[in-house]
Amino acid sequence: GESVGLHLPTLSVQEGDNSIINCAYSNSASDYFIWYKQESGKGPQFIIDIRSNMDKRQGQRVTVLLNKTVKHLSLQIAATQPGDSAVYFCAERSGGNQFYFGTGTSLTVIP
Amino acid sequence: EAGVAQSPRYKIIEKRQSVAFWCNPISGHATLYWYQQILGQGPKLLIQFQNNGVVDDSQLPKDRFSAERLKGVDSTLKIQPAKLEDSAVYLCASSRPGGDTQYFGPGTRLTVL
Repeated sequence: GESVGLHLPTLSVQEGDNSIINCAYSNSASDYFIWYKQESGKGPQFIIDIRSNMDKRQGQRVTVLLNKTVKHLSLQIAATQPGDSAVYFCAERSGGNQFYFGTGTSLTVIP
Repeated sequence: EAGVAQSPRYKIIEKRQSVAFWCNPISGHATLYWYQQILGQGPKLLIQFQNNGVVDDSQLPKDRFSAERLKGVDSTLKIQPAKLEDSAVYLCASSRPGGDTQYFGPGTRLTVL
């Protein structure tokens, strides 16, 4: 089976600081990756994606970095806000349109 | 654009009982997914439909779980009989034809006592 894992299960940051959430994946054939944000009682919400032919992609306040050499993915959130507090999942696609999700990192923003 | 709808939002049953969950995907989304999310874990795919056909159900415990999408729109996931370890949030997601991004519903939280 696939293995998608996160280095840190919890992360606490001060409001206004930058956050970095890491993810390791195991399948070098994975061609597409997504970061999701999941708030309590809600389904995962798409944040940003990246294809395997890229190494960086930027969105509004978020950046995803992909290092295929070490099979590592990271999500950077700039100027973290209290509304960013949630669990963040990375998901990899390695066949069809089937995704494998990591365990998740719980981000807490301290006002 | 309306999101993915799921019902009920919460369900509590005794073990060995049956339960069914309903999902209405985003209009025009041909692909529909059911995931199981156990507390503290990421979602795990149970079954994927393309229109009304099954694309992948390799992780669906077929002795007790079943799912259908008869008209290629709404879908129902059933558990019969339920076990304690089925306690989880059941998420439905959909994506456009040829699309990559999956859009998730709010989920149904199932508690089996």
